[in-house]
Amino acid sequence: DAGVIQSPRHEVTEMGQEVTLRCKPISGHDYLFWYRQTMMRGLELLIYFNNNVPIDDSGMPEDRFSAKMPNASFSTLKIQPSEPRDSAVYFCASSRDVPGSYGYTFGSGTRLTVV
Amino acid sequence: RKEVEQDPGPFNVPEGATVAFNCTYSNSASQSFFWYRQDCRKEPKLLMSVYSSGNEDGRFTAQLNRASQYISLLIRDSKLSDSATYLCVVPGTGRRALTFGSGTRLQVQP
Repeated sequence: DAGVIQSPRHEVTEMGQEVTLRCKPISGHDYLFWYRQTMMRGLELLIYFNNNVPIDDSGMPEDRFSAKMPNASFSTLKIQPSEPRDSAVYFCASSRDVPGSYGYTFGSGTRLTVV
Repeated sequence: RKEVEQDPGPFNVPEGATVAFNCTYSNSASQSFFWYRQDCRKEPKLLMSVYSSGNEDGRFTAQLNRASQYISLLIRDSKLSDSATYLCVVPGTGRRALTFGSGTRLQVQP
């Protein structure tokens, strides 16, 4: 299996622009998670999906952030408009269950810089 | 109290040393725990699961103390390649996803 695939690896954008991050989970994993990592706040859960349905979006910072999962093999995280404080590494992860009995598998992350 | 707390370190130890990290958690109902390893500018990767009796994998031993609500990771005979950040992970209750600690940085020196 190719693992969790994220794109792009790096994104540099100007404040106010729309940013779209993409994720392909491991086939057969029914759960998909979006995490954000910064030096100050560590790894924070933004949202997760079960069978393409959003279950917990309490970590989504504000209305500028939105996430979708149109099918079992693809998810997007969109930021519109982007702000410098959104600069972080965004990780997508997938799992067979939400407690992660076998752990979560993470993608390589997208390093976002908003200038 | 935070859901999970770790000493951020860094822990600077010589090769061959034994080093231990602790992590405290607040949710007493949590059942299974994990340690993840994260290398610089890489994604977190599962290192070990921690169950009620603890477990050992080579040089690594993870233990759980439910009464005091902490888990520990012991690394024996440290290698240079063990240098990384170690994240303590606890499950949420109900439908909540895993919560990651902020990590403890380990630097093994020659």
